[in-house]
Amino acid sequence: QVQLVESGGGVVQPGNSLRLSCAGSRYSFTGYAFHWVRQTPGKGLEWVAFISHDENHLSYADSVRGRFTISRDDSENTLYLQMNSLRTEDTAIYYCTRVGFGVDLGSGFHPWGRGTLVTVSS
Amino acid sequence: QSVLTQPPSVSAAPGQKVTISCSGGPSNIGSHSISWYLQLPGTAPKLLTYDDDKRPPGIPDRFSGSKSGTSATLAITGLQTGDEADYYCGAWDNSLDVMVFGGGTKLTVL
Repeated sequence: QVQLVESGGGVVQPGNSLRLSCAGSRYSFTGYAFHWVRQTPGKGLEWVAFISHDENHLSYADSVRGRFTISRDDSENTLYLQMNSLRTEDTAIYYCTRVGFGVDLGSGFHPWGRGTLVTVSS
Repeated sequence: QSVLTQPPSVSAAPGQKVTISCSGGPSNIGSHSISWYLQLPGTAPKLLTYDDDKRPPGIPDRFSGSKSGTSATLAITGLQTGDEADYYCGAWDNSLDVMVFGGGTKLTVL
């Protein structure tokens, strides 16, 4: 069964950095595009970043552009999200997900990880 | 304010049918495929439909997606109490070069 597992969340002060990881198990990253999506408890889904299968297409939400960087290491089956200059409004559960069905950039997100909680607070 | 517009809530009785709408524009729903997700409390979202009207393996045919122009609809028939959840639509937006989601719709099975 395809699985994604996020890690790296925690409590961090405003202005500091954090790197999230998303590890795949029992399947290869190669050939798939990935997204990071976040959700503040009690609120809706907010898309964060996208990386294409060949890393030639990267995209970010306006709220994180210039502060967050998405990357991948296919040899390690791992997706990353480097988060710098964190703000209190970045507090959320961060999910990684794969474009598992369909060919569209924003199509068929599957599977989803269980998420990792990032809390930005002084 | 979400780029895709969904009703905040819908409700229906067990066994009945409910539809959830998702309204967008030419650069998102009008140009790209729509997907629908279900999220139960405390869990990660789960894919229900993709490419407008396709279901991944394991999703019952009670769930069906459709699209017309810049709007999409998720229909759920034979409602069950276990269908109570939040539902989200999502699509790529080629004008903004970002992924956009609807604000979510809370389904209550009365």
